[in-house]
Amino acid sequence: EAEVAQSPRYKITEKSQAVAFWCDPISGHATLYWYRQILGQGPELLVQFQDESVVDDSQLPKDRFSAERLKGVDSTLKIQPAELGDSAMYLCASSLIGKRSGANVLTFGAGSRLTVL
Amino acid sequence: AQTVTQSQPEMSVQEAETVTLSCTYDTSENNYYLFWYKQPPSRQMILVIRQEAYKQQNATENRFSVNFQKAAKSFSLKISDSQLGDTAMYFCAFMTLLAGKSTFGDGTTLTVKP
Repeated sequence: EAEVAQSPRYKITEKSQAVAFWCDPISGHATLYWYRQILGQGPELLVQFQDESVVDDSQLPKDRFSAERLKGVDSTLKIQPAELGDSAMYLCASSLIGKRSGANVLTFGAGSRLTVL
Repeated sequence: AQTVTQSQPEMSVQEAETVTLSCTYDTSENNYYLFWYKQPPSRQMILVIRQEAYKQQNATENRFSVNFQKAAKSFSLKISDSQLGDTAMYFCAFMTLLAGKSTFGDGTTLTVKP
């Protein structure tokens, strides 16, 4: 069964350091999402891509966060510099959008858990 | 903008019994999707059930069913014959039809007791 791959699974870093997360969506899924999930809360959308274009990054803290999906396949989310409040799970999900069978359902990766010390 | 509200932070149920999780949402969209996702402890989020807003019939997947009330903007999940493996955090979510923009509630932690 196809999966969304994410790495690293766990990352511990000190504040002010840079950190990067990688996501490889299900093959053929044009839409890719990055979410931040604080423990005990629901996922909060950070950025949504349609192919290589950003559809929604209204909740992305652009002074320190950046995201790219250069070839419209895999994606990287970067934080620089990391702050204590960035400690969270970073989830990647992908989806087909449209009327095809199996479309409009988010498939999630296992997530990358970030701890900022 | 869409909002999703889950008013029950925690719930518990005895094994084999039935439990209902509540969700309300707010949107100006007419066509959209609603979902329930399950996140077991330390495991990844998986889809439980999906409802298209343009369908009046409530979705059903084995022991899981929804009560979709479009006018009231209510979308509850009923779990029948609860099993220990149903213990998880359950998230109600909304997705717009065209752009695929998604919004999640804050979740309900469900514990199934033996």
